[in-house]
Amino acid sequence: EAQVTQNPRYLITVTGKKLTVTCSQNMNHEYMSWYRQDPGLGLRQIYYSMNVEVTDKGDVPEGYKVSRKEKRNFPLILESPSPNQTSLYFCASRDTGNTIYFGEGSWLTVV
Amino acid sequence: QKEVEQNSGPLSVPEGAIASLNCTYSDRGSQSFFWYRQYSGKSPELIMSIYSNGDKEDGRFTAQLNKASQYVSLLIRDSQPSDSATYLCAVTPGGSYIPTFGRGTSLIVHP
Repeated sequence: EAQVTQNPRYLITVTGKKLTVTCSQNMNHEYMSWYRQDPGLGLRQIYYSMNVEVTDKGDVPEGYKVSRKEKRNFPLILESPSPNQTSLYFCASRDTGNTIYFGEGSWLTVV
Repeated sequence: QKEVEQNSGPLSVPEGAIASLNCTYSDRGSQSFFWYRQYSGKSPELIMSIYSNGDKEDGRFTAQLNKASQYVSLLIRDSQPSDSATYLCAVTPGGSYIPTFGRGTSLIVHP
């Protein structure tokens, strides 16, 4: 089954404790991205990657890092999480027709 | 900044009625247009894509695109309570492969 898988799905962490949200897709898509979704603000893109070793900032990159060492994986790293990074996060990949496929989402709470 | 605008709603319609959702976009060179449905707490899922002017029908859903007026709409016929969700419009600007999402319109279908 074609899918985007992200983990963990739910996480509560403390301010300053580094965390990584993993993302993997099995559709051989070159393009992958991370979004956060907050009430009233819609989906906002954090980072995206056009291919292996090629990443670029989206609209809200501050406080986040990414890497793309393999085509299928695109982890999101929060080096020092803060409460304003409490959000619902979606990993996504895109096919050649520009259709976006989303992971199931990761609920992150930073206390 | 490429803009995609949607009325946040909520749009409330009775069961069996036609729900009409609208989206306008700023980039006249945009080439691909998508409608996603998102249930509360879930990931967005693609329901329609449209690339040329006119109507595209898929079951109870019809997407309408008017590039001259820079709007795209989604009609849902015979609305059901299960259609209650947030509908996201996404537009891929000209010269880009990265869709821009609107903030979504909340639809409520009441029995």
